[in-house]
Amino acid sequence: AQSVAQPEDQVNVAEGNPLTVKCTYSVSGNPYLFWYVQYPNRGLQFLLKYITGDNLVKGSYGFEAEFNKSQTSFHLKKPSALVSDSALYFCAAYNQGGKLIFGQGTELSVKP
Amino acid sequence: GAVVSQHPSWVICKSGTSVKIECRSLDFQATTMFWYRQFPKQSLMLMATSNEGSKATYEQGVEKDKFLINHASLTLSTLTVTSAHPEDSSFYICSARGLENTIYFGEGSWLTVV
Repeated sequence: AQSVAQPEDQVNVAEGNPLTVKCTYSVSGNPYLFWYVQYPNRGLQFLLKYITGDNLVKGSYGFEAEFNKSQTSFHLKKPSALVSDSALYFCAAYNQGGKLIFGQGTELSVKP
Repeated sequence: GAVVSQHPSWVICKSGTSVKIECRSLDFQATTMFWYRQFPKQSLMLMATSNEGSKATYEQGVEKDKFLINHASLTLSTLTVTSAHPEDSSFYICSARGLENTIYFGEGSWLTVV
């Protein structure tokens, strides 16, 4: 079955430290991969996507993600975390039916 | 960037009444929109795919007579929760497919049925 997995329910990081939010996928064919961020009581904001090209994708607010085909991963990273980055992060991919399937979400907490 | 507007942000309705939520793509045309439901601290659950000019495609387990979806134009899809009950209370989010197959989301609508 096609799926997206985020193995960590929560990630805690100190402000100024690098952060990584993990995502692995299992989809057929060439994957279309996305990261979204959700703040409390808000919709999802698009951060970045991978369709083709460079494996390292840069997105909004200083975030980037690395596509690794051999490990079927698309981890989200940021060199220096901010308290304002604290939010719920979702990894997503298109499945064969053209629908966006989501990971379970990872709550990122950045402490001052 | 592509903007999707959702209205209302918050709505309270009495049990047994119907409520409509609108989803608009403001700066692009969207032949396909999606409606999701989200419970607190959980992922999004796809309810249905809304196709402009044709019937919506519902996911398994979603009652199409209860959650009426209309996509009358390339920029507007509506979700009507009919005969709402307290268990329908939830956060509903719409999205639209934009350029390069990127999905853009609305801000969501909190529905409380009392």
